[in-house]
Amino acid sequence: QLQLQESGPGLVKPSETLSLTCTVSGDSISTDYYYWGWIRQPPGKGLEWIGNVYYTGITYHNPSLKSRVTLSVDTSKAQFSLKLSSVTAADTAVYYCARSSYNYFYMDVWGTGTTVTVAS
Amino acid sequence: QSALTQPPSASGSPGQSVNFSCTGTSSDVGAYNYVSWYQHHPGKAPKLIIYEVTKRPSGVPDRFFGSKSGNAASLTVSGLQAEDEADYYCSSYAGTNIFVFGSGTKVTVL
Repeated sequence: QLQLQESGPGLVKPSETLSLTCTVSGDSISTDYYYWGWIRQPPGKGLEWIGNVYYTGITYHNPSLKSRVTLSVDTSKAQFSLKLSSVTAADTAVYYCARSSYNYFYMDVWGTGTTVTVAS
Repeated sequence: QSALTQPPSASGSPGQSVNFSCTGTSSDVGAYNYVSWYQHHPGKAPKLIIYEVTKRPSGVPDRFFGSKSGNAASLTVSGLQAEDEADYYCSSYAGTNIFVFGSGTKVTVL
């Protein structure tokens, strides 16, 4: 059974870079049928798609965040990662990683989420 | 791209039905039959309940029904149960491997 688990610092200072990793277990990360993505939920707000990464390293981003987002994948470790630069308090959120169908565009397996607070 | 528009709240008594919309544009909801819906209980991971507008993943009861007309999709939950109380989000493919979520609807079981 596929499982995803987010990890990373829970507190990041303003202007610094937020770094999170998602570890995939129970199935291969190197699949042609899915890509791996990040979604966040700021306090009291809705879900926001951040971006997806394919196992080959091809990335897709939310245009509103694109200039600050770096996505990567390490197939040898079965992990994919998110870096968000120049963070502000507006980046405080619960961050989820998820598996997305490459052909049918739905997110069928989610991590439990990790809370990241941006504060000095 | 802008978030899809959902009503902030919907409610119904146990056993009743509730229906709510997800309105996008001709570039997302109207352009593709790739609308999905997610049930989110606070503090837990979102759960996929509808994909490709009308399809249900294995294990999702047929009380959940999705549809689409033009630039708007809808989710109907029939035979409301206490455990259906949650936030519901729609999502649509918006082309070039871009996704957009809805603003979310909080469903209350009275």
